[in-house]
Amino acid sequence: GQQLNQSPQSMFIQEGEDVSMNCTSSSIFNTWLWYKQDPGEGPVLLIALYKAGELTSNGRLTAQFGITRKDSFLNISASIPSDVGIYFCAGRAQGAQKLVFGQGTRLTINP
Amino acid sequence: GAGVSQTPSNKVTEKGKYVELRCDPISGHTALYWYRQSLGQGPEFLIYFQGTGAADDSGLPNDRFFAVRPEGSVSTLKIQRTERGDSAVYLCASSLDSDSGYTFGSGTRLTVV
Repeated sequence: GQQLNQSPQSMFIQEGEDVSMNCTSSSIFNTWLWYKQDPGEGPVLLIALYKAGELTSNGRLTAQFGITRKDSFLNISASIPSDVGIYFCAGRAQGAQKLVFGQGTRLTINP
Repeated sequence: GAGVSQTPSNKVTEKGKYVELRCDPISGHTALYWYRQSLGQGPEFLIYFQGTGAADDSGLPNDRFFAVRPEGSVSTLKIQRTERGDSAVYLCASSLDSDSGYTFGSGTRLTVV
């Protein structure tokens, strides 16, 4: 099925570093969402974006809805050990209820 | 309940058998979704219920897969004649309405041997 192109696939960083990941699509989406998934758990919503160009923050997390509506990025500042996990972007097209997910970015933090 | 509850958390079945996976959404949530997540991949949409009716079942891979939500609350995903390729984590999510954000359950890990 259709999936968004998410990069990088994995990241290995030092604690305290900033992180940036992005997601691109060949289709336009009206909503972009960023989720985090821990092992054995379902994805948990981090940030939701509803308007092209929108920049939204949630604590150390900042996400932007690309102006073309075909991309989004997520930044994490000053990473801490509990940031470890898999991050997924997801898009929802106008009039649709289903989400289309990226393949995920696996974040590993070296203490 | 406080969250979306999925049972069982793990299911191992033999190829060719029938399985049922249950989802108990957050109380009052009218929208319910099923997704399938293969190893190393993001979740893929299967079916969406608004109330009792399946509003979009375009993600069901074939006619071996069926889902019901008879009273607009609990939903059951049914897989007939299971195949090894059906092995995955099956995630359920619910939302207050079709425009709200989802809350996912922890999933059912299905292994077909």
